[in-house]
Amino acid sequence: GQQVMQIPQYQHVQEGEDFTTYCNSSTTLSNIQWYKQRPGGHPVFLIQLVKSGEVKKQKRLTFQFGEAKKNSSLHITATQTTDVGTYFCADTPSGGSNYKLTFGKGTLLTVNP
Amino acid sequence: EAQVTQNPRYLITVTGKKLTVTCSQNMNHEYMSWYRQDPGLGLRQIYYSMNVEVTDKGDVPEGYKVSRKEKRNFPLILESPSPNQTSLYFCASSHRGGTGWVTQYFGPGTRLLVL
Repeated sequence: GQQVMQIPQYQHVQEGEDFTTYCNSSTTLSNIQWYKQRPGGHPVFLIQLVKSGEVKKQKRLTFQFGEAKKNSSLHITATQTTDVGTYFCADTPSGGSNYKLTFGKGTLLTVNP
Repeated sequence: EAQVTQNPRYLITVTGKKLTVTCSQNMNHEYMSWYRQDPGLGLRQIYYSMNVEVTDKGDVPEGYKVSRKEKRNFPLILESPSPNQTSLYFCASSHRGGTGWVTQYFGPGTRLLVL
């Protein structure tokens, strides 16, 4: 079935440094959703990207969807300790025929204050 | 407050003893789903439901059952639990927007240990 590769698996940064996680697929992704999971918590929805080449921003977070819809990225500018957690991408269906989601394995971000 | 609730939050059981994990949402969402989360494997979908009485398999359905008799509830049933079902389980719900499924809300999780 569909596989979504997420890199890196881990990333440790100093507070104030930037961070990027990438989500890649060998086949075309439908829609991409991004989630954040704090340690000991549950995944929290961040955003959904739908269109080829789409870029969305949420404060210090920038989300991109590749032109070929085979990759996506999440970039955090000037990380803060509150950014600590695991970031997941998920390939989500765009149509109404199913609700099958495939998650990447996530990138664990740690931030040194 | 919009939320997804799961019970129990923690459960220790023994091999073969049937158990049910309940999930309920108060947002009138059509879509509900169960996931398991294991170290190194990320989140994997077990079953999902697109509406009352409509359920379908996700990526790892073996050993699990679900039912959707009411819109708000989506219990996960382990008829004969085995140690390899020890995991962290999440229930989630969502509704459909113009471009597909929109925000998926997750419950707080159920940590299950099968001895």
